[in-house]
Amino acid sequence: GIQVEQSPPDLILQEGANSTLRCNFSDSVNNLQWFHQNPWGQLINLFYIPSGTKQNGRLSATTVATERYSLLYISSSQTTDSGVYFCAVASDSGYALNFGKGTSLLVTP
Amino acid sequence: DTGVSQNPRHKITKRGQNVTFRCDPISEHNRLYWYRQTLGQGPEFLTYFQNEAQLEKSRLLSDRFSAERPKGSFSTLEIQRTEQGDSAMYLCASGNTEAFFGQGTRLTVV
Repeated sequence: GIQVEQSPPDLILQEGANSTLRCNFSDSVNNLQWFHQNPWGQLINLFYIPSGTKQNGRLSATTVATERYSLLYISSSQTTDSGVYFCAVASDSGYALNFGKGTSLLVTP
Repeated sequence: DTGVSQNPRHKITKRGQNVTFRCDPISEHNRLYWYRQTLGQGPEFLTYFQNEAQLEKSRLLSDRFSAERPKGSFSTLEIQRTEQGDSAMYLCASGNTEAFFGQGTRLTVV
């Protein structure tokens, strides 16, 4: 099956800093999503982005499908950004959304 | 609330008992997924429905697990003869292209 690798696995930032999270995948995809899992376990949709660039407030994402990676940018981080960020992809040959192991982000005051 | 709804939110059961979880997807979503998540790990795919048809099932899913989606609406996930290793958060998602997740059912097998 398709492999999904996220980096870095852990990240500590001071409030106000910027960060970039990366997701590499091993096959062509027809679906790529970024999620934020809050402390209560709820997966919050951030972006549906199988290709191209999108922005939503302080967050933006870019997927370069031909090079098999996606980036999530967080600018001016806030303590409420803390949590685990997951990338999930579905390959052209399947239906399942396959998750990476996540990036655990801690934003300190 | 028009989001994905899962019930119960928490379930504690004794080893060897059967449990059933329910997922009500967002109305008119054709796709429905079940996942399992353990502490510190990403969600692990279990099975996928397109309307009422179960089109994909993880090879990791043992024969004790079964899922249904009658009439392409709600879905149930049953675990027979539960084991302590089944303790996890069980997540349901629905969508047409983008997937949206419910809050999950936390299962504890004692």
